[in-house]
Amino acid sequence: EADIYQTPRYLVIGTGKKITLECSQTMGHDKMYWYQQDPGMELHLIHYSYGVNSTEKGDLSSESTVSRIRTEHFPLTLESARPSHTSQYLCASSRDTNTEAFFGQGTRLTVV
Amino acid sequence: GESVGLHLPTLSVQEGDNSIINCAYSNSASDYFIWYKQESGKGPQFIIDIRSNMDKRQGQRVTVLLNKTVKHLSLQIAATQPGDSAVYFCAEKKAGTALIFGKGTTLSVSS
Repeated sequence: EADIYQTPRYLVIGTGKKITLECSQTMGHDKMYWYQQDPGMELHLIHYSYGVNSTEKGDLSSESTVSRIRTEHFPLTLESARPSHTSQYLCASSRDTNTEAFFGQGTRLTVV
Repeated sequence: GESVGLHLPTLSVQEGDNSIINCAYSNSASDYFIWYKQESGKGPQFIIDIRSNMDKRQGQRVTVLLNKTVKHLSLQIAATQPGDSAVYFCAEKKAGTALIFGKGTTLSVSS
């Protein structure tokens, strides 16, 4: 069982609200990632971090932002949620870039 | 066993059959590949990985085959069980980058 946790599991929020999706891991992994996944579709990389104070944008353009102030914590923030942000957001971490990534359970976000 | 051509979105098999799920990857510079299983409402779960210096790797009831010539990856599941029903994703990684996922294949196992 992977020690990576995401909160909340489900979130329904109104348009224009600011939200932060939390992701924490207790494995001491330097590498952390955020993926976005629509139902029945593949995962798209939106952000990644190779260590504290390091963040990069992924292949899929996203209006979200991330921060990495502590090794174990990699929160994702949407300043102004829109219905187009409705999706599942999955956080992952890995020890190295060429080892398996462990995934959290995901946050299913609905913006109304 | 049942097999599919290059990425079919669904695969239906009988319990006890062997399943083969195929994946075409995009980047010839990719040097690490993983298969993940994702059950409904859960995050992806690691099944097996393979590095580009290998062409076959076996795990418990699963085998991954890598053909770099045609950029093709396959996952073979022996004696498929109802608990194997899930969506399966392949993912590739080029050195220094993050995992890039392919389209999933939904495996349905009937008893």
